[in-house]
Amino acid sequence: GESVGLHLPTLSVQEGDNSIINCAYSNSASDYFIWYKQESGKGPQFIIDIRSNMDKRQGQRVTVLLNKTVKHLSLQIAATQPGDSAVYFCAENPRGDSWGKLQFGAGTQVVVTP
Amino acid sequence: NAGVTQTPKFRVLKTGQSMTLLCAQDMNHEYMYWYRQDPGMGLRLIHYSVGEGTTAKGEVPDGYNVSRLKKQNFLLGLESAAPSQTSVYFCASSPRSWGQYFGPGTRLTVL
Repeated sequence: GESVGLHLPTLSVQEGDNSIINCAYSNSASDYFIWYKQESGKGPQFIIDIRSNMDKRQGQRVTVLLNKTVKHLSLQIAATQPGDSAVYFCAENPRGDSWGKLQFGAGTQVVVTP
Repeated sequence: NAGVTQTPKFRVLKTGQSMTLLCAQDMNHEYMYWYRQDPGMGLRLIHYSVGEGTTAKGEVPDGYNVSRLKKQNFLLGLESAAPSQTSVYFCASSPRSWGQYFGPGTRLTVL
């Protein structure tokens, strides 16, 4: 069935470098996407979201890019810090689902090295 | 605001025992959700509620029941716990399709 997925299970990044976390989705009906960060032993934390009528959205040190043509979502973290080490999930909400239900990918582990 | 809180944080049950997990939110959100998270997997939706007095099944509802008697609370019940229900359970709330906000989780072990 259609699902949200990630290209890489683990991403190692040197402190200070930029990180790019990728997410492929196959449900063309999805119109809302969210990135979450989950630190060990904690609940997922909302990072940034984007709707399908946008290609790019920026937050504090983070940027989400949406390419609807190839059904690809990415999260860019600028100047990665040790505190950015966590598992990152992308999630999608299919168009027509008015109850806000989200479908999550399996996650990418980001490890920041000094 | 405390946001989304969950009790208890940890629990160990024996097979066949029952328990209730409590989720509370103080953000006046309409929607609430219960997920389970297993190692190496994403979050899977168990049940959800779109308002006080309403509940609906998610992706993996078997073995669980829920109730939403008050807008701020969403309860998840296990009537007869099984080892397959060992997991970390997360509650989330949402102000209607604008993203979900998660609690800290409950780590449940069923022996």
